[in-house]
Amino acid sequence: AQSVTQLDSQVPVFEEAPVELRCNYSSSVSVYLFWYVQYPNQGLQLLLKYLSGSTLVESINGFEAEFNKSQTSFHLRKPSVHISDTAEYFCAIDNAGNMLTFGGGTRLMVKP
Amino acid sequence: NAGVMQNPRHLVRRRGQEARLRCSPMKGHSHVYWYRQLPEEGLKFMVYLQKENIIDESGMPKERFSAEFPKEGPSILRIQQVVRGDSAAYFCASSQNSRETQYFGPGTRLLVL
Repeated sequence: AQSVTQLDSQVPVFEEAPVELRCNYSSSVSVYLFWYVQYPNQGLQLLLKYLSGSTLVESINGFEAEFNKSQTSFHLRKPSVHISDTAEYFCAIDNAGNMLTFGGGTRLMVKP
Repeated sequence: NAGVMQNPRHLVRRRGQEARLRCSPMKGHSHVYWYRQLPEEGLKFMVYLQKENIIDESGMPKERFSAEFPKEGPSILRIQQVVRGDSAAYFCASSQNSRETQYFGPGTRLLVL
């Protein structure tokens, strides 16, 4: 069985500070990895994904995530956050099944 | 290109009533997935459908819940005789093919009184 663990349920950070949201997964087969962002009372938006190739993937709004196979991690980072980045972030895996398995989410709270 | 559409966005039902949630996938997508998000939790997979077929319903509760994706029209998630524990946000996602990126709708927030 596969699982996703997001170690931090909430991450408070000041504007323009760097941030890392942690994600670890467990799977017996190779996986695809995703980060989704959910703004209040909205659906999930795909932020970035790792399917194969370069282990570092980037989004258009400055986030990046690095796939580390040996540590089974896919941590999300941003060097300088904005107030508008305040949202809930979900890490998910697809292990060739028919579903995404999600972590519990991390609430990023950016303070002025 | 319109995204995944879900309606209604909010639904209030009394215990014992039926809830019907609709999902129209993105244009060109024939694979639909339903997920449930309980308060303060992540999303949990419920069911995966293709046109006229249920492919995987391993996440569906055994009773009261059913899903369909007819040849014409939206996918429907149906909850009979709702209970308070059914209160949650229900999200639909679609993809062009199996194991391709899933795109999510805005969700239906169900409140059972």
